[in-house]
Amino acid sequence: DQQVKQNSPSLSVQEGRISILNCDYTNSMFDYFLWYKKYPAEGPTFLISISSIKDKNEDGRFTVFLNKSAKHLSLHIVPSQPGDSAVYFCAARNGGTSGTYKYIFGTGTRLKVLA
Amino acid sequence: DTEVTQTPKHLVMGMTNKKSLKCEQHMGHRAMYWYKQKAKKPPELMFVYSYEKLSINESVPSRFSPECPNSSLLNLHLHALQPEDSALYLCASSSPLTDTQYFGPGTRLTVL
Repeated sequence: DQQVKQNSPSLSVQEGRISILNCDYTNSMFDYFLWYKKYPAEGPTFLISISSIKDKNEDGRFTVFLNKSAKHLSLHIVPSQPGDSAVYFCAARNGGTSGTYKYIFGTGTRLKVLA
Repeated sequence: DTEVTQTPKHLVMGMTNKKSLKCEQHMGHRAMYWYKQKAKKPPELMFVYSYEKLSINESVPSRFSPECPNSSLLNLHLHALQPEDSALYLCASSSPLTDTQYFGPGTRLTVL
């Protein structure tokens, strides 16, 4: 049972344009969401996060939007750069106390930014 | 500094070997995690330690044995592994103050 889904396995975008990566979840108990970027054979690198009490968080070229009623979040990257080419994972954290959190990862979307 | 370090970077072992993976962080985080990631799959949680105590074990086979000797170190002891255990093993840590989980670079494990 995949509680966090990224339905697009891959995405290609022209340099300078907007990249939109999507993520859907099923568990309404998730209270915190994160996006990670990953290169092959490396650990995920944290990009941006959002608490379930917010609907938008922005950090430079990265913006995450959360639609709780639709159980959907998205990551916008603008402008996209060739160095953004990587696999992007969304992750959701279940509610609880520190030390009992579980982070559930989506299946990932491979972004390719074309120069 | 948001660095989590892992050693070794690569490990090849036979099914009868005993080896250990190491993870270290100096961010003062009190929660540490082991994940396993197979190719083209998301990271899968294995263990969570909170304040040096095991708080979550995701029904991981006993051939994987975690250990948290102190608040900065996390080990994963490996014994009698199977070839299907070959994967990227990721360590992460988090602080309740930031809610964000930071990952190490991983250990690429190959079991022959």
